[in-house]
Amino acid sequence: DAGVIQSPRHEVTEMGQEVTLRCKPISGHDYLFWYRQTMMRGLELLIYFNNNVPIDDSGMPEDRFSAKMPNASFSTLKIQPSEPRDSAVYFCASTQLANHLETQYFGPGTRLLVL
Amino acid sequence: DAKTTQPPSMDCAEGRAANLPCNHSTISGNEYVYWYRQIHSQGPQYIIHGLKNNETNEMASLIITEDRKSSTLILPHATLRDTAVYYCIVIGGLGSQGNLIFGKGTKLSVKP
Repeated sequence: DAGVIQSPRHEVTEMGQEVTLRCKPISGHDYLFWYRQTMMRGLELLIYFNNNVPIDDSGMPEDRFSAKMPNASFSTLKIQPSEPRDSAVYFCASTQLANHLETQYFGPGTRLLVL
Repeated sequence: DAKTTQPPSMDCAEGRAANLPCNHSTISGNEYVYWYRQIHSQGPQYIIHGLKNNETNEMASLIITEDRKSSTLILPHATLRDTAVYYCIVIGGLGSQGNLIFGKGTKLSVKP
């Protein structure tokens, strides 16, 4: 298996622009998590899905953030409009219930820089 | 979730065993001990987890004390590629939703 795939790996954009991050979970995994990591705040859970349905989005910082999972093999995290404080590494992770939810497999991350 | 305490940094010689300690004195009976690591510029990587018994997989061994208040992650033959920040997390049990909260971890440096 190729593991969790994220794209793009790096994104540089200007404040106010829309940013879309993409994730392909491991085939057969029915849970998908979006995290954000910064030096100041560490790793933060933004939202997670089970069987393509958002279960907990309490970590989404503002209405500027939205996430979708149209099917079992694809999810997006969108920021519109982006702000400099959104600069971070965004990780997608997946797992399946048989594993324990805490046994998560992470993608390589998208490094976002908002100027 | 219970709080964990780890040394901020450790060194290990290549080929030797790396023993990374973690204290979790307030762990509750249904919580698991998880270990993850993060190599520079990569995503976190699951290593191993356990509840009460010692565990071993292809990556590492996990030794949990009988009172469950501390644990040790053992990398039996450390390589340069094992240089990373290692996170000990206590999580799970009823109501757990898989929210991984990493502390500061232990920065392991494997030296030639």
